[in-house]
Amino acid sequence: GAGVSQSPSNKVTEKGKDVELRCDPISGHTALYWYRQSLGQGLEFLIYFQGNSAPDKSGLPSDRFSAERTGGSVSTLTIQRTQQEDSAVYLCASSLGRGNGPDEQYFGPGTRLTVT
Amino acid sequence: AQRVTQPEKLLSVFKGAPVELKCNYSYSGSPELFWYVQYSRQRLQLLLRHISRESIKGFTADLNKGETSFHLKKPFAQEEDSAMYYCALSGRGSYIPTFGRGTSLIVHP
Repeated sequence: GAGVSQSPSNKVTEKGKDVELRCDPISGHTALYWYRQSLGQGLEFLIYFQGNSAPDKSGLPSDRFSAERTGGSVSTLTIQRTQQEDSAVYLCASSLGRGNGPDEQYFGPGTRLTVT
Repeated sequence: AQRVTQPEKLLSVFKGAPVELKCNYSYSGSPELFWYVQYSRQRLQLLLRHISRESIKGFTADLNKGETSFHLKKPFAQEEDSAMYYCALSGRGSYIPTFGRGTSLIVHP
């Protein structure tokens, strides 16, 4: 079946512009995560959605970052007034979201964001 | 606070040699630990998790609570094992994992 998809695969933007990154999770997965992957920094958790619950935004680095998930499926990550330090690969992952703890996460291919 | 440390950014071995990718963690409760792998031009994917106690592609990892470690081991490395490996930890009942910075494994022919 189809895995997690993300668009665009690459995005180059000028400093100060807003960008929107999209994630389509695996159908039936209730949990959705956004991460930022920077060179040498590993994966940095940004935000977590679970079903209709309020998202866990504890990883968002500043108020320029926001995300929403519509209808429990597609999610968009928005970065306003982009800065050069926002340049990174943004990864989305989804999981079944059942049980009392973490289950296997399925990752998308990522969006490479370059802020010039 | 929970933390995952992968002390080696790069590990280089020859084909057939044993390999051990180190992972140390800091967490006050009972952790759930994972290894994820990203092969060149592929997506990040789960390799193994400690509760399943499986051996995947010849890799094993044992949780050592005394040393707070979850090292990934393989007795005979293969060229196709070359990849980026990430150790991750979730606290009991938490859905949000903490990832280490990753170790790049290069297996030379």
